[in-house]
Amino acid sequence: AQSVAQPEDQVNVAEGNPLTVKCTYSVSGNPYLFWYVQYPNRGLQFLLKYITGDNLVKGSYGFEAEFNKSQTSFHLKKPSALVSDSALYFCAVRVPSTTGTYKYFFGTGTRLKVLA
Amino acid sequence: DSGVTQTPKHLITATGQRVTLRCSPRSGDLSVYWYQQSLDQGLQFLIQYYNGEERAKGNILERFSAQQFPDLHSELNLSSLELGDSALYFCASSELLEGEQYFGPGTRLTVT
Repeated sequence: AQSVAQPEDQVNVAEGNPLTVKCTYSVSGNPYLFWYVQYPNRGLQFLLKYITGDNLVKGSYGFEAEFNKSQTSFHLKKPSALVSDSALYFCAVRVPSTTGTYKYFFGTGTRLKVLA
Repeated sequence: DSGVTQTPKHLITATGQRVTLRCSPRSGDLSVYWYQQSLDQGLQFLIQYYNGEERAKGNILERFSAQQFPDLHSELNLSSLELGDSALYFCASSELLEGEQYFGPGTRLTVT
């Protein structure tokens, strides 16, 4: 079965330290990969996506993600965390379906807490 | 403000009823997506339309249906509602088929 896994329910990091939020996937074919963020009491926002090309993708708010095909991972990273980065982060993949359309799968989310 | 609007903001209804959620995409966006976010099932992709045509399908129940109209707004119809359908329903839009998605504020549905 195709799926996306975010193995950590919560990640705590001190302000100014680098952060990593992990995502692994199990899908057939070449997926498109996405990260979204949900701030408290606000809707979701797109952070970045990987379709093809350079394995390191840069996105909004200083975030970047590294695509690793051999490990089927797409970890979200930021060199220096801010308290304002505290939010819920979702990883997602898009894969072609057998009907000629697409399917999206989302991870369960990782809550990032940046401590001052 | 993403430019995506959703109405209503809140909806309270009884089991067995039918409701319609409405989404207006950002000006110029051709693609509309629907998502359900609940406490027990997390965030789930329901369906995507692009310029009036269905383009992607997720875990959408048969009791649910959606459409995108010629003016590009979209409606999500939920029928024979159950308690478990209580959730936050998000709409998103993108300019292209697989472009960056902009999310609306959501409609909170409570089924009693």
